[in-house]
Amino acid sequence: EPEVTQTPSHQVTQMGQEVILRCVPISNHLYFYWYRQILGQKVEFLVSFYNNEISEKSEIFDDQFSVERPDGSNFTLKIRSTKLEDSAMYFCASSEWGLAAEQYFGPGTRLTVT
Amino acid sequence: KNEVEQSPQNLTAQEGEFITINCSYSVGISALHWLQQHPGGGIVSLFMLSSGKKKHGRLIATINIQEKHSSLHITASHPRDSAVYICAVRGADGLTFGKGTHLIIQP
Repeated sequence: EPEVTQTPSHQVTQMGQEVILRCVPISNHLYFYWYRQILGQKVEFLVSFYNNEISEKSEIFDDQFSVERPDGSNFTLKIRSTKLEDSAMYFCASSEWGLAAEQYFGPGTRLTVT
Repeated sequence: KNEVEQSPQNLTAQEGEFITINCSYSVGISALHWLQQHPGGGIVSLFMLSSGKKKHGRLIATINIQEKHSSLHITASHPRDSAVYICAVRGADGLTFGKGTHLIIQP
């Protein structure tokens, strides 16, 4: 069964460094998403991406964040100048059509900023 | 901004019991998702609803758009159903998630 994959599973970085989290969505899906979940808290929507551009983003998704689909398979989340409060689990998801459609989640990347 | 409330926050039940988890939201939506988060952190989509009722195996989800309320039911619960169940709603400001219901089914 097709699945969303994410790498790395765990990333440790120092405050102020840039990190790139990678995702490979399901191949025939058109919409891609990033979410984050700070330990012990609820999942939060970051951004949705369609047709090579951001379709929606939350207040959390500020200039520190960017997303890109560098080729036909990868979808990346870049966090510039990481802060301690960026430590969280980051989930990628994809769906065949829009944000109301069923979404398939990746296993997540645990980001630890020290 | 949509407020999503789930109840109960925590639920412990015996194997075989009928389980109900509730979700209410404050602003009209176009769709509601029920998700399951396993102890290891992975998230699985269970249902996406915009009206009525859906059934998949032992799981049933209902939504009442007028009352802004949805329920997730588990029949003949089993220890492997132990997980966090999350309600998420699609509104004008993207997907808003509830805090989740932590369910433990004891053998």
